[in-house]
Amino acid sequence: AQTIHQWPVAEIKAVGSPLSLGCTIKGKSSPNLYWYWQATGGTLQQLFYSITVGQVESVVQLNLSASRPKDDQFILSTEKLLLSHSGFYLCAWSLMGGQDTQYFGPGTRLLVL
Amino acid sequence: GDSVTQTEGPVTVSESESLIINCTYSATSIAYPNLFWYVRYPGEGLQLLLKVITAGQKGSSRGFEATYNKETTSFHLQKASVQESDSAVYYCALGTQVVGQLTFGRGTRLQVYA
Repeated sequence: AQTIHQWPVAEIKAVGSPLSLGCTIKGKSSPNLYWYWQATGGTLQQLFYSITVGQVESVVQLNLSASRPKDDQFILSTEKLLLSHSGFYLCAWSLMGGQDTQYFGPGTRLLVL
Repeated sequence: GDSVTQTEGPVTVSESESLIINCTYSATSIAYPNLFWYVRYPGEGLQLLLKVITAGQKGSSRGFEATYNKETTSFHLQKASVQESDSAVYYCALGTQVVGQLTFGRGTRLQVYA
């Protein structure tokens, strides 16, 4: 069975500090990977997607970056956090692109002060 | 662009009552998007509740049903008799042509009281 793990579960960070959020998928080779973000009271927005190792496409610009260093790993990061980065970050995977069902991780809650 | 509008929560119902959460969509990038309902139970991750890929078809799961109505561009979620364990946040979403991009509604928080 496929499992998706996100870390950390929650973070409280200072404005201007760096951030790194991680996601790993086990039990599925070469998945498509996605990062989503939801501000408090807002909608889930896709930030990045990756079809293969080393390739990441940006969907929404939020002064964040993403990388896929391994087939089963997806990293979201920034060198300087903004207050507006607060929210809930979700990682997801799918077998194929297009309109294939996406399966989500448990999420990371981030509060920037 | 594509958009999804759903019932604004919170929605509060008593156990064994019927439920409908409205969802309407606008799909400009694709004529027949796939439609989804996702759910997030307290303390858990977002999970797929049901999916319908063909206009006119109905999807069902855990007693919930939703019919893909192309004419009214709607995908309302219904349940005949809710249970306290159905308390969660429900998200309607559509799949677009952009690689793997799902467009979500804002989510509807459902609270079921015993």
